[in-house]
Amino acid sequence: EVQLLESGGGLVQPGESLTLSCAASGLTLSHYAMRWVRQAPGKGFEWVSIISASTDKTYYPDSVKGRFTISKDHSKNTLYLEMNSLRADDTAMYYCVRDLGYFDYWGQGALVTVSS
Amino acid sequence: DIQMTQSPSTLSASVGDRVTITCRASQSINVWLAWYQQKPGKTPKLLIYKASILEGGVPSRFSGSGSGTEFTLTISSLQPDDSASYYCQHYITHPYTFGQGTRLEI
Repeated sequence: EVQLLESGGGLVQPGESLTLSCAASGLTLSHYAMRWVRQAPGKGFEWVSIISASTDKTYYPDSVKGRFTISKDHSKNTLYLEMNSLRADDTAMYYCVRDLGYFDYWGQGALVTVSS
Repeated sequence: DIQMTQSPSTLSASVGDRVTITCRASQSINVWLAWYQQKPGKTPKLLIYKASILEGGVPSRFSGSGSGTEFTLTISSLQPDDSASYYCQHYITHPYTFGQGTRLEI
């Protein structure tokens, strides 16, 4: 059974940093592209980072480029999202997902709240 | 970016009804479309991919159709458990984008 277990969410002040983790079981992260997708309260979905399967190439939308970094630890089979210079509009539930084009496996979500 | 527009935004229906949600793309996406269900406070669940292929374990009352720019998600006989928001998402080219969602009330 595939499980994606996220951790690391919380309440931070604007300008602070936070790192989310997504521990995978039942699938090997080096075999698949993985993505972080966020959903602001009451809103739709926005992708915030992608990492390719084996080459670990990364991509970001302009809204987070230069502030967010996605990475994988293959030995721990864990995906990370390092978030710096957080802003109020980064407040959202963050999901790690397996990217087959469509997203068949989702983590349970990590809530990030940016507020002073 | 390709824009995805869903209609209606909110839908109220009764148990046993046949319900259809529409998703339109701003340009052709062939059949590269997925549908998701999200219940309040829960993780989204993949229902359909490649416009019409039912994900394993999804009840057969759900079906998808369409190609090009217009797509539909149909629930043939609505059940109380189907109360949720539904989202379409294209995956033909980056960035993959979602529709704004349709809230289905029963």
